[in-house]
Amino acid sequence: AQSVTQPDIHITVSEGASLELRCNYSYGATPYLFWYVQSPGQGLQLLLKYFSGDTLVQGIKGFEAEFKRSQSSFNLRKPSVHWSDAAEYFCAVKNYGGSQGNLIFGKGTKLSVKP
Amino acid sequence: GAVVSQHPSRVICKSGTSVKIECRSLDFQATTMFWYRQFPKQSLMLMATSNEGSKATYEQGVEKDKFLINHASLTLSTLTVTSAHPEDSSFYICSANGGGAGEYFGPGTRLTVT
Repeated sequence: AQSVTQPDIHITVSEGASLELRCNYSYGATPYLFWYVQSPGQGLQLLLKYFSGDTLVQGIKGFEAEFKRSQSSFNLRKPSVHWSDAAEYFCAVKNYGGSQGNLIFGKGTKLSVKP
Repeated sequence: GAVVSQHPSRVICKSGTSVKIECRSLDFQATTMFWYRQFPKQSLMLMATSNEGSKATYEQGVEKDKFLINHASLTLSTLTVTSAHPEDSSFYICSANGGGAGEYFGPGTRLTVT
């Protein structure tokens, strides 16, 4: 069965510092991978997605992610964090198992930004 | 891009009553929609897959008689929480497939059962 692991529950970075959020997936073939951001009490906003092709994916708000098959990873990065980036971040993989293509989510990483 | 709406965004109901949540795809047709539930400080868990014109498919552990799903058209799916109890209080989010592998999420509905 497919799964997603986000090893870090909570990360704190200083404003202006770089950021990397880790995501590991379990899937035999090439996965469809996503990163979403959720502000408190809000829905999900898609940051970026990977289906195929270039393994470095650019997203909105200055985020990027790199797909590394050898490491089964899809880490999210941002060179300079802004205070408004404080939120919960979810990595997800498309499920091609039982249900008709729903997403399987990691447990999320909460990002706090220090002034 | 594709837009999915949910109504209401927030609802408070008394224990024992039923609540209906609507999920609409505004600018595309969706034969399949998904309903997720998110408890506080937790991730999203799939509850059921809603299929237009047929019965929903429920995930293990989700009571189909309690969480009624109707997908009457290609742009609307509804989730009815019947005989709600406080433990049903949660954030309910729907999503719809907008074509290809893309999936678009609604803004969510915060249900509080008192």
